[in-house]
Amino acid sequence: QKEVEQNSGPLSVPEGAIASLNCTYSDRVSQSFFWYRQYSGKSPELIMSIYSNGDKEDGRFTAQLNKASQYVSLLIRDSQPSDSATYLCAVKTGGTSYGKLTFGQGTILTVHP
Amino acid sequence: DADVTQTPRNRITKTGKRIMLECSQTKGHDRMYWYRQDPGLGLRLIYYSFDVKDINKGEISDGYSVSRQAQAKFSLSLESAIPNQTALYFCATRGGSGSPDTQYFGPGTRLTVL
Repeated sequence: QKEVEQNSGPLSVPEGAIASLNCTYSDRVSQSFFWYRQYSGKSPELIMSIYSNGDKEDGRFTAQLNKASQYVSLLIRDSQPSDSATYLCAVKTGGTSYGKLTFGQGTILTVHP
Repeated sequence: DADVTQTPRNRITKTGKRIMLECSQTKGHDRMYWYRQDPGLGLRLIYYSFDVKDINKGEISDGYSVSRQAQAKFSLSLESAIPNQTALYFCATRGGSGSPDTQYFGPGTRLTVL
């Protein structure tokens, strides 16, 4: 079993819809979770981090975390064509100071007009 | 200027050649990382360093070596390049009191081994 798993997609949604991206992880002691966005040919950039169970909202983005189910998701409301990118889920394993990130394989999102 | 820079940005080399990829950062972070990215496989950790004297292997370190010349510089070497090392390589840094868990990525180096 991979440590961090995502549906690789591609996920295609119409403009204005809600895009839902999902991620599961295997390490039960993980405490920190991140979503990165990566445009084609570019480097990943952090868009959301979440540390506690529940929802965290930032503009059109909502991250959801359920540690009991070892599940983290990202919702993008009012999707725009500019949201078309690969979304990488990352989980920090190890201790607070020495932890490292393990990435999922990424989900390709396409928002069509 | 970019906070994390990588050189070269693109490199084509031949099987068996030694090649070095360089990473420099001006963020003052102590933690630095090297990843490779292949289509459908996400980012995989090659090596990471928590300071100049602390270097650790990641999940795919075979065939690679690193050098942390200073806090700001972290180099990745392929001693004898092979075609399956063709990939996109990213350097990243982490640290700082504001967002200690956030990793900041360089622009990447696209390496092709013929």
